[in-house]
Amino acid sequence: SQTIHQWPATLVQPVGSPLSLECTVEGTSNPNLYWYRQAAGRGLQLLFYSVGIGQISSEVPQNLSASRPQDRQFILSSKKLLLSDSGFYLCAWSEGSYSNQPQHFGDGTRLSIL
Amino acid sequence: AQSVTQLDSQVPVFEEAPVELRCNYSSSVSVYLFWYVQYPNQGLQLLLKYLSGSTLVKGINGFEAEFNKSQTSFHLRKPSVHISDTAEYFCAVKANFGNEKLTFGTGTRLTIIP
Repeated sequence: SQTIHQWPATLVQPVGSPLSLECTVEGTSNPNLYWYRQAAGRGLQLLFYSVGIGQISSEVPQNLSASRPQDRQFILSSKKLLLSDSGFYLCAWSEGSYSNQPQHFGDGTRLSIL
Repeated sequence: AQSVTQLDSQVPVFEEAPVELRCNYSSSVSVYLFWYVQYPNQGLQLLLKYLSGSTLVKGINGFEAEFNKSQTSFHLRKPSVHISDTAEYFCAVKANFGNEKLTFGTGTRLTIIP
């Protein structure tokens, strides 16, 4: 069966520091991969999605970036964090070839910026 | 483009009472519909999905939802709730072709009162 791993679970970073969140999927090939942010008491905001290695689409202009160095690895990065980057970050995957397949989510990373 | 409206941000319900969480969507094309549940500090878990066929869809944990095309609704129901159902519930929609992205509602917080 397929599994998705996301780490770390929690992270406290000072303003201006760099960021790297990692997500990996097991048990499937060529998945679609997604990064979402969930601010406190709000819905999900899609940040990036990828349909293949090296293919990244950005939904919202910001100081975050994403990379997909391997088929089942998705990384969210920042060179300098802002206070507004605080939130709950969720990685998700779906079957790449079938549009009717749902997205499956990791357990999330809670990021606090001090 | 698609949009989702969850009319109630918070719904308090007594234990063992029935509940209905409302979801309306807007789309110019046919859609797939999903309900997800999010427990505190966790990722989203798929409850159920409507792809085609029978308009009454049964999911996990005793939940069901009914697709109503004329009213563009996909309300979630459970005949008798338990304390463990306390969570945030998200309705989501995507176009039924291509690699369209999932659009989420803002969520409904279900609180079960003992």
